[in-house]
Amino acid sequence: GAVVSQHPSRVICKSGTSVKIECRSLDFQATTMFWYRQFPKKSLMLMATSNEGSKATYEQGVEKDKFLINHASLTLSTLTVTSAHPEDSSFYICSATPSGQGYTGELFFGEGSRLTVL
Amino acid sequence: GENVEQHPSTLSVQEGDSAVIKCTYSDSASNYFPWYKQELGKRPQLIIDIRSNVGEKKDQRIAVTLNKTAKHFSLHITETQPEDSAVYFCAATLKSGGSNYKLTFGKGTLLTVNP
Repeated sequence: GAVVSQHPSRVICKSGTSVKIECRSLDFQATTMFWYRQFPKKSLMLMATSNEGSKATYEQGVEKDKFLINHASLTLSTLTVTSAHPEDSSFYICSATPSGQGYTGELFFGEGSRLTVL
Repeated sequence: GENVEQHPSTLSVQEGDSAVIKCTYSDSASNYFPWYKQELGKRPQLIIDIRSNVGEKKDQRIAVTLNKTAKHFSLHITETQPEDSAVYFCAATLKSGGSNYKLTFGKGTLLTVNP
């Protein structure tokens, strides 16, 4: 199956700093990737849809200036948590689906990135 | 937008028993309903999915049923094993060709299979 890779898997940072998380589709191209946030024992909450070559589409209640998304190529989307605070601590997961013929449209998830802001 | 309700939030069964998780959705236009299994600290993995033109789908010990009229769908796991223990999420979306679709997830069910 298709592989989506996230980096880093864990990051600890000080309050006020910015953190970048990368999401890569390793063996397919993805014009669209999705970023989710997951709190402990909670569901996946969609934060934004990352569109290659254009601006991301954010879900209601998600701060655009806080969570910067860049989708510069067909295999890479980045999420930057700017001026991080302890309440931003969470598990962030990306997903993507291969386009093109022969694919069912299954979403493939990255491994997730656990952010801890001190 | 779409709203997905999932029940129960926790489910404990004995090994060998069956487990059933139920979900309802609000948007009658939704046509794709996947189920994901997520082990602690790991990524969600698709275990089965169903499209709105099908009422039931089975894959070995796992089956999903869909009632479009009532807007609910269920996951059935038979002959449960300890390795089935995980959090299960249902989801719904409108797929209209292409790959650009957003999933709305249920809140998840923590399934524990006791040996």
